[in-house]
Amino acid sequence: QSVLTQPPSASGTPGQRVTMSCSGSSSTIGRNTVNWHQQLPGTAPKLLIYDNNQRPSGVPDRFSGSKSGTSASLAISGLQSEDEADYYCAAWDDSLSGWVFGGGTKLTVL
Amino acid sequence: QVQLRQSGPGLVKPSQTLSLTCAISGDSVSSKSAAWSWIRQSPSRGLEWLGRTYYRSKWFNDYAVSVKSRISINPDTSKNQFSLHLNSVTPEDTAVYYCARDSGAWGQGTLVTVSS
Repeated sequence: QSVLTQPPSASGTPGQRVTMSCSGSSSTIGRNTVNWHQQLPGTAPKLLIYDNNQRPSGVPDRFSGSKSGTSASLAISGLQSEDEADYYCAAWDDSLSGWVFGGGTKLTVL
Repeated sequence: QVQLRQSGPGLVKPSQTLSLTCAISGDSVSSKSAAWSWIRQSPSRGLEWLGRTYYRSKWFNDYAVSVKSRISINPDTSKNQFSLHLNSVTPEDTAVYYCARDSGAWGQGTLVTVSS
């Protein structure tokens, strides 16, 4: 059971906009920023969004993040086949004094 | 551009110590704006943060409660790297282990199997 809650799956067709959620608590998302990581099949995770809505250099602006209260969202616009991956949210947990992750959302591009 | 390169054995016997190293390029393990973590991933536990080391005029460590009694993460400033040591391993410690810069790059991952 992960500390952060994500839906196990999401899907969309090429060109569509998809969103996925990440629910936490007052000790996690409520007090700290959220990161999103993308894990393509058979590879290591890669930082996609940091500090709720910041994109590292090289990440397309099709990817965007937001946070409200104890929840966060990742949006992908102009969906492409190469976006098919697992997406994980992460936040610092003040109660546990450590990073916690969501269980991941598997995105399928139909 | 920060890159992390992991090294270490892929097979460890039960009750022994799992040891991995993460070499950093493009950044410094002593950076006062960075923290360096170890994370593992398994089908049963998902992504699990194990701990981190960071420098803020002196060295600090944070460890996950689940492994706190068995873990040590150490910086090596001479080689610009950091290491993970997890002792008294059991088959439940079998996982892919990653090093990572907090809110940054990840290493390539090392599959560690605990088996006799």
